[in-house]
Amino acid sequence: QVQMQQSGPGLLKPSQTLSLTCAISGDSVSSNSATWNWIRQSPSRGLEWLGRTYYRSRWYNDYAVSVRSRISINSDTFKNQFSLQLNSMTPEDTAVYYCTRVRGGSGWAIDFWGQGTLVTVSS
Amino acid sequence: DIVMTQSPDSLAVSLGERATMNCKSSQSVLNTSNNKNYLAWYQQKPGQPPKLLIYWASTRESGVPDRFSGSGSETDFSLTISSLQAEDVAVYYCHQYTSIPWTFGQGTTVEIK
Repeated sequence: QVQMQQSGPGLLKPSQTLSLTCAISGDSVSSNSATWNWIRQSPSRGLEWLGRTYYRSRWYNDYAVSVRSRISINSDTFKNQFSLQLNSMTPEDTAVYYCTRVRGGSGWAIDFWGQGTLVTVSS
Repeated sequence: DIVMTQSPDSLAVSLGERATMNCKSSQSVLNTSNNKNYLAWYQQKPGQPPKLLIYWASTRESGVPDRFSGSGSETDFSLTISSLQAEDVAVYYCHQYTSIPWTFGQGTTVEIK
């Protein structure tokens, strides 16, 4: 059974950078049959996919256009984790942030979600 | 981006009765290479992350009770709870994963009448 443990700060000031980490157990971040995604949820924007990283002989990343200029998702194979960095945070970025997994065994749908991290951006 | 629109926004059903909710996508989510609709349904309870119920529009995830069923193709989909139980009170989301950016519906809230 996979477990995904999120860590990172819950309170930021405007213009600061969000850094969240998702530590994986029971699976491998470098698996050739999984992708690792960040999704956020807020009352105003609903569920919003932010981006993903995955390994297929080399590392790939995809990002949502809405955050492309200020997002970075990276993986650490030694620690078996992946991370989200979102720059220039504003109050509109206030949301619950989830790390998630996609695997072929569930039709390539998101089959597992981390516990979520409430991130509040306020001065 | 593919826009997902769910209806109704909320639904009140008596225990043991059927609950049906709908999801419409602005573009087809059918992958013609494998004839699979890349449409999933999630259940979210307060304070919890979403839980996968259905993928490929109609395939139940392992461990999901068979009172949950999904149907539809291309742009029109539905999720049915055949006999509503108290533990089914939640918000239900549809989600397309046929093309990036993946998108979600706004949710349907299911309550007990």
